[in-house]
Amino acid sequence: AQSVTQLDSHVSVSEGTPVLLRCNYSSSYSPSLFWYVQHPNKGLQLLLKYTSAATLVKGINGFEAEFKKSETSFHLTKPSAHMSDAAEYFCVVTGGSQGNLIFGKGTKLSVKP
Amino acid sequence: SQTIHQWPATLVQPVGSPLSLECTVEGTSNPNLYWYRQAAGRGLQLLFYSVGIGQISSEVPQNLSASRPQDRQFILSSKKLLLSDSGFYLCAWSVLQAGGGGGYTFGSGTRLTVV
Repeated sequence: AQSVTQLDSHVSVSEGTPVLLRCNYSSSYSPSLFWYVQHPNKGLQLLLKYTSAATLVKGINGFEAEFKKSETSFHLTKPSAHMSDAAEYFCVVTGGSQGNLIFGKGTKLSVKP
Repeated sequence: SQTIHQWPATLVQPVGSPLSLECTVEGTSNPNLYWYRQAAGRGLQLLFYSVGIGQISSEVPQNLSASRPQDRQFILSSKKLLLSDSGFYLCAWSVLQAGGGGGYTFGSGTRLTVV
């Protein structure tokens, strides 16, 4: 069975400092992994996805994530936080035969000026 | 282009009233369709998914039901809302690709408050 654990429910950084949002997954086969961002009262937006190609995945808005199979991790990083990055971030793995998604509980990112 | 429409954006309903949320997809055919819910302080949870007209799979037993009367239409319903039905509901579609990793597109969501 597939599962996702986001290790921090809330991360707070200062503007201009690096961002690290941690995600560990469990999967019985080679998974597809995603990071989505959700701004308040808006739908989900795909940041990036890993689908068994390059292990370092670059996404939109300067975010990237590295798939580490030995650590079963898919942490999301950004070198320099911007105020507009404040949102909730979801790590997601595909699960089941119909491709439905399994979401982590989310990490709320706060960015201080 | 492929788009997904979900309405209404916000909804306030009394306990015991019925619910109908609609989602329609454009620019694709025979998509997989999904309803997710995000309750306060919790992650997104899959409620229903559908691989074709009239085919509905329920992931979590609850007070809700779903229907797919047309290929690109997915409806979430309830006969009598409970307070615990409050949350943020998202519709999504995907097209399965070999090896997984199919793209998913989400609607803008409906904020439901049951009072």
